[in-house]
Parts: sequence; C-alpha cells; structure tokens
Amino acid sequence: EPEVTQTPSHQVTQMGQEVILRCVPISNHLYFYWYRQILGQKVEFLVSFYNNEISEKSEIFDDQFSVERPDGSNFTLKIRSTKLEDSAMYFCASSEQPRGNSPLHFGNGTRLTVT
Amino acid sequence: AQTVTQSQPEMSVQEAETVTLSCTYDTSESDYYLFWYKQPPSRQMILVIRQEAYKQQNATENRFSVNFQKAAKSFSLKISDSQLGDAAMYFCAYPLRRNTDKLIFGTGTRLQVFP
Repeated sequence: EPEVTQTPSHQVTQMGQEVILRCVPISNHLYFYWYRQILGQKVEFLVSFYNNEISEKSEIFDDQFSVERPDGSNFTLKIRSTKLEDSAMYFCASSEQPRGNSPLHFGNGTRLTVT
Repeated sequence: AQTVTQSQPEMSVQEAETVTLSCTYDTSESDYYLFWYKQPPSRQMILVIRQEAYKQQNATENRFSVNFQKAAKSFSLKISDSQLGDAAMYFCAYPLRRNTDKLIFGTGTRLQVFP
C-alpha cells in the first residue's frame, strides 16, 4: 500500500536555526498538509497546499513557516528561525480530494527538538 | 465553536473482548465526514475508519465499527475481538467546516489491551 514518507524521523536543532522537514506524499494525491502535535497535546492543522500554492493555513502558520513543492515528489516545511515552542512532532499528510472528502494519509512524522 | 470531545482519556480492555470509545462533536454542517485515527507508540497516524454523515449505515472495517448518531452528534468506535496490537491513542476527527481542509482532532483516548 502506498505510503507518505517523512525524513528525518528526528531532528535536533538549536534555537534560531532554520530547519527543513521533508515529505514524499502518495504519488497520485494532489492535496498536501502539515499538522503538528506538541507532546501530550492535540494534533493541530498547520497548512494545506494544492496546485503549488497554499490553500489554507492556521494562525500557527506565521511568517516563520513556509511550504514548498520543489519538484514533482517532495513537499517541504521550512521553519526559518526555530523557537523552543516549535518542538513537536510534525506530520505530513496527503489526500486524493480536499475538504475532508477523502481520508488523510499521514506519514510517520518528524520529531523536532529545539534546544 | 466547532469542537470534538473525547471524554475518556484512558480505556482498557482484555484481549478478545469488545471496547467502545466515545466521541461527540459539534457542527452546523449537514454533510461531512468523520474519522477515527490510531496512533500507536511508533507515533504514526493511521486511519482506522471513516463515516460519511449523509449515510445512515454505520461504517465497518473488519473488527472496527462505528455507532454514528447524527442527531446526537455522536461518533463512537467499537473494537471487537481486541488484540494486543490495538493498544494505541485513538483520535476522533472531522473537518472544521464543509469548505475547509482543516481537520479538528479530539484530545484522544489511550487504549490499553491486557492479555
């Protein structure tokens, strides 16, 4: 069964550094997402992306965050200047259809630790 | 406000027994989808089952089934013949609105399965 893959599985970075989290969505999916889960808390929506542009973003997704689909397969989340509170599990997801009309398929996540 | 409530932070069940995890939600939409996701210790988010609100028939996926009560805005997950591998966090989720990509997740129920 096709999978969403994320790299790295764990990223440790110092406060103020830039990080890029990478994702390869399922190949025939057109809609891509980033969610995050701070330890012990809810899974929160960050951003959705379609047709090479952001479809929707949450209030969490401020100017420090950006997403990109640099080629036909990768989907990246960049955090320009990391803060301690950015420490979380970041999940990439993809779907065939938007707006909850088809299930989201999640990757295994990248655990980001900001020290 | 659109919310998802999972009132059971923890549940336990013996192997081969049946357990039901509860979820209530609040939406003003008439057509929407509801999802249950499983998050094992590996932290991956795995889709368990999906229910379409306009369908009266409860969704079933092998040992997993839902009890969907649209009027009561209740969407419980029943796991039959529980297995050790079912031990995980279970999250109920649904789209915030019909025209949004944003899935709202509940706080989760941690399920323990005892041999």
